[in-house]
Amino acid sequence: AQSVAQPEDQVNVAEGNPLTVKCTYSVSGNPYLFWYVQYPNRGLQFLLKYITGDNLVKGSYGFEAEFNKSQTSFHLKKPSALVSDSALYFCAVRDSPEAGNMLTFGGGTRLMVKP
Amino acid sequence: ETGVTQTPRHLVMGMTNKKSLKCEQHLGHNAMYWYKQSAKKPLELMFVYNFKEQTENNSVPSRFSPECPNSSHLFLHLHTLQPEDSALYLCASSLLRTGGWDGYTFGSGTRLTVV
Repeated sequence: AQSVAQPEDQVNVAEGNPLTVKCTYSVSGNPYLFWYVQYPNRGLQFLLKYITGDNLVKGSYGFEAEFNKSQTSFHLKKPSALVSDSALYFCAVRDSPEAGNMLTFGGGTRLMVKP
Repeated sequence: ETGVTQTPRHLVMGMTNKKSLKCEQHLGHNAMYWYKQSAKKPLELMFVYNFKEQTENNSVPSRFSPECPNSSHLFLHLHTLQPEDSALYLCASSLLRTGGWDGYTFGSGTRLTVV
């Protein structure tokens, strides 16, 4: 069975500093990995995905994530945080296509960027 | 707008009421999902429809009844709910196709309060 862990409930960072939101996963096949962001009282918005190819994936709003197969991780990063990046971030995984078309989500990490 | 529209945005209902949540997408997607998001809990998958057929019912109580009349519309019928059913209900859609999958597109959610 596929699973995702986001070990930090909250990450605090000062505006202008780099940020990292951690994600590790467990799958039996080759993973499809996603990051979504949720602002208050809204649905989840797609940020980026890894399916195959280059391990460094670039996404919306200057975010990027690095797929590390040996460490089964897919950490979200941004070189310089903005106050407007403050939100709830979800990592999600889909196992190989044979596992169906459903994502398993991590518990979410709240990112707080302070001025 | 993401292309997935949920109505109403907010709903307050008594425990003896019957109400319905609606989700509509015009993205040409062929799979639709209901998720429940409660405070301090992971996203919970409730139902999955592929090509209008229900393919997943994640042990959801019978007081929640889904309906998918076509690939563009999804309903969640509610009756005799409990206060613990108060949550943000999220609809998502995705496109199943040969050779790839791009994950979900979410609606903005319906904030349900059961009194």
